[in-house]
Amino acid sequence: AQSVSQHNHHVILSEAASLELGCNYSYGGTVNLFWYVQYPGQHLQLLLKYFSGDPLVKGIKGFEAEFIKSKFSFNLRKPSVQWSDTAEYFCAVNGRHNQGGKLIFGQGTELSVKP
Amino acid sequence: NAGVMQNPRHLVRRRGQEARLRCSPMKGHSHVYWYRQLPEEGLKFMVYLQKENIIDESGMPKERFSAEFPKEGPSILRIQQVVRGDSAAYFCASSPSATEAFFGQGTRLTVV
Repeated sequence: AQSVSQHNHHVILSEAASLELGCNYSYGGTVNLFWYVQYPGQHLQLLLKYFSGDPLVKGIKGFEAEFIKSKFSFNLRKPSVQWSDTAEYFCAVNGRHNQGGKLIFGQGTELSVKP
Repeated sequence: NAGVMQNPRHLVRRRGQEARLRCSPMKGHSHVYWYRQLPEEGLKFMVYLQKENIIDESGMPKERFSAEFPKEGPSILRIQQVVRGDSAAYFCASSPSATEAFFGQGTRLTVV
């Protein structure tokens, strides 16, 4: 079955701490991978995406993610978080030849950054 | 260029009433997707539409739910005879082609 699993439901960090959010997927075939962020009261915004090429992807606001095909993983990282990174983060996947907006999402990880 | 606009942001309906959720895609986008987020769960795909056509409705419940995207006007997600289990956040996304999708702020439906 096609699915996305995010390991952590809620993560609490202090400012300047490093962040890594886990994401594993199960999907037959070649995939596109995404991380979205939802700040309180706002819409989902795309942080970064992987379609092909360099498995280390850099996104907005200092975030990056690494696609490890052998582990079916696409973990999100940031070396030093800020209070403004407090939000919910969603990992998502679709098939390389699927409709672009038809995504399978993980359950989300709520990140709370303490000032 | 305004983003994807959804309204209303919050909607309260009594059991048995109808709910209509509207989504105006970004200018120039002809692909619309609807998702539902139940409490403590991730977003689940419901339906994919292009102008006047339903392309993929594999995630839509078989009864009471319908969606349209007319030639003119917003896309509508319609839920007839709502029940408590329909309470959720409903998100719309649009894209200009089969590429990344841009999401609206969602409509939070509460059934009382």
